[in-house]
Amino acid sequence: DTGVSQNPRHKITKRGQNVTFRCDPISEHNRLYWYRQTLGQGPEFLTYFQNEAQLEKSRLLSDRFSAERPKGSFSTLEIQRTEQGDSAMYLCASSSLAGGRSNEQFFGPGTRLTVL
Amino acid sequence: QKEVEQNSGPLSVPEGAIASLNCTYSDRGSQSFFWYRQYSGKSPELIMFIYSNGDKEDGRFTAQLNKASQYVSLLIRDSQPSDSATYLCAVSTRDSGNTPLVFGKGTRLSVIA
Repeated sequence: DTGVSQNPRHKITKRGQNVTFRCDPISEHNRLYWYRQTLGQGPEFLTYFQNEAQLEKSRLLSDRFSAERPKGSFSTLEIQRTEQGDSAMYLCASSSLAGGRSNEQFFGPGTRLTVL
Repeated sequence: QKEVEQNSGPLSVPEGAIASLNCTYSDRGSQSFFWYRQYSGKSPELIMFIYSNGDKEDGRFTAQLNKASQYVSLLIRDSQPSDSATYLCAVSTRDSGNTPLVFGKGTRLSVIA
């Protein structure tokens, strides 16, 4: 069990460019979550999946954002036409439906996006 | 709008003292409550979860929940410099952590040696 991994760890882009981030959850974890965290704030929920199905999207997820989990394993988050306000840490987490009540969400190291 | 409120701090306590971190939430339908620790530049890690009114103890950590007052707290006994971090309170309206969490802004704790 290698934990949740995210790539790239850092991304610097110019305003208007498209970016894509990848998250590999803990193997066999059914649920995968995307959060966004800005400096001095807690993580804010963006969207989550159960296997390949996208279950819920936050109002924060504008039409410039799209996420998918095509085979129920890794997930990608794409931001089109990036804006400076998109600069943040993008966190991915995964959890298992099996097991105890806590069903802990394990977080990856995050991808830090800077939009110039 | 579901809100989770925390005092941003910093909360400074001397080594060996008890650190008390507080959190209030707005949604009365909230059912599960989590405390995450986040070191600077790192991702959040779960410390404790609590579902029922009362206290729950795990080592040096005690979580306290009062649903009537919509209040949850975390006590850290015998605080160590290694406890210095931001503590995030998170809430879910479902009875497990397998759902999107609403986080507070976090309280920054500094334990002074």
